[in-house]
Amino acid sequence: DGGITQSPKYLFRKEGQNVTLSCEQNLNHDAMYWYRQDPGQGLRLIYYSQIVNDFQKGDIAEGYSVSREKKESFPLTVTSAQKNPTAFYLCASSTPRLAGGHNEQFFGPGTRLTVL
Amino acid sequence: ILNVEQSPQSLHVQEGDSTNFTCSFPSSNFYALHWYRWETAKSPEALFVMTLNGDEKKKGRISATLNTKEGYSYLYIKGSQPEDSATYLCAFLNFNKFYFGSGTKLNVKP
Repeated sequence: DGGITQSPKYLFRKEGQNVTLSCEQNLNHDAMYWYRQDPGQGLRLIYYSQIVNDFQKGDIAEGYSVSREKKESFPLTVTSAQKNPTAFYLCASSTPRLAGGHNEQFFGPGTRLTVL
Repeated sequence: ILNVEQSPQSLHVQEGDSTNFTCSFPSSNFYALHWYRWETAKSPEALFVMTLNGDEKKKGRISATLNTKEGYSYLYIKGSQPEDSATYLCAFLNFNKFYFGSGTKLNVKP
């Protein structure tokens, strides 16, 4: 079955530690996205990638880093520089508009990160 | 950061009621407006992708309209059912970035 997987579902880390969240898709989508959700707020864009080996900062990129070495994978690292990392993180993929798609986003199940 | 607003924040209706919610977005640099449905413990799923002013889309009992000139979209649910209970998100596409509203949480009581 085609889809997006994120692991783990729940993650606990000590303050000051870097942590990497996994996102894998087998939908053959070029574009991938990372969002963060906090209570009472909409999804906010952290980073996005339109193509392999290229990525762009979203609106809240500070304290995060990404890589896009393979089309299928877009891991997100939450660094110790992120001041308030506890949140729910969603990964998504889509066919870019410029490639003839409508950017309809397909989402993973999410990772809930708690920093103690 | 562009502002996308959804109202109401939450809605409680009885089974069989019809309901509607609003998504407001900037009227400039419009590329698309998406509606997503997010059920508890599941991933958000796309309902509609709307790109043209005046667009009307329908899927079963759910429909949506779009006014890009004034910057709003309405989502309608006719004859709500308990399985319609979910959070409904709208997302405004500006170039290659999405801006999401905070959602309308719908609870349909049997």
